[in-house]
Amino acid sequence: AQSVAQPEDQVNVAEGNPLTVKCTYSVSGNPYLFWYVQYPNRGLQFLLKYITGDNLVKGSYGFEAEFNKSQTSFHLKKPSALVSDSALYFCAVRGIPGGYNKLIFGAGTRLAVHP
Amino acid sequence: DSGVTQTPKHLITATGQRVTLRCSPRSGDLSVYWYQQSLDQGLQFLIQYYNGEERAKGNILERFSAQQFPDLHSELNLSSLELGDSALYFCASSVGRGGTGGTDTQYFGPGTRLTVL
Repeated sequence: AQSVAQPEDQVNVAEGNPLTVKCTYSVSGNPYLFWYVQYPNRGLQFLLKYITGDNLVKGSYGFEAEFNKSQTSFHLKKPSALVSDSALYFCAVRGIPGGYNKLIFGAGTRLAVHP
Repeated sequence: DSGVTQTPKHLITATGQRVTLRCSPRSGDLSVYWYQQSLDQGLQFLIQYYNGEERAKGNILERFSAQQFPDLHSELNLSSLELGDSALYFCASSVGRGGTGGTDTQYFGPGTRLTVL
């Protein structure tokens, strides 16, 4: 079965420092991976996705993610964190069996960026 | 703003009641998805419609049903509500139907927060 794991409930980082939010996945076949961000009282906003090709994927708001097949990971990164990046981040994998497009989400990681 | 709209934003009702949540997809998107976000279950896929037809079903209770209308808007009907149905319900839309090889991005609406008292 397809699944994703976000091993950290919360990540704390100082403004201006690099940030990493971790995600590991388990899929049969090629993984289609996504990152979404949820701000308080808002819906999920799409950040980036990996389908195929370059292992480093660039997305919105300066975020990028590194796909690592051998480690089955898809970590979200940003070189310099902003206080406004504080939010809940979700990693998701597309549910391949049956060929359907449903997303399977991780539990989420709360990112807190301190001034 | 994703272009996906959901109404109402908030809904407060009593146990045993029935409610309807509405979603309008982004212009040009044919697929609509419903997800439930709760503290204990996280984000769970409920159901997908593509161009008016049910495409995929997830962990959707029998008390819940959905449909997609000819104008592509969708409604999620929740009946015989229980306290445990209190959650944030998201609608998302994408262009295609999501068949094998499909790589559509799903864009989410702002959600409807349902509180069952």
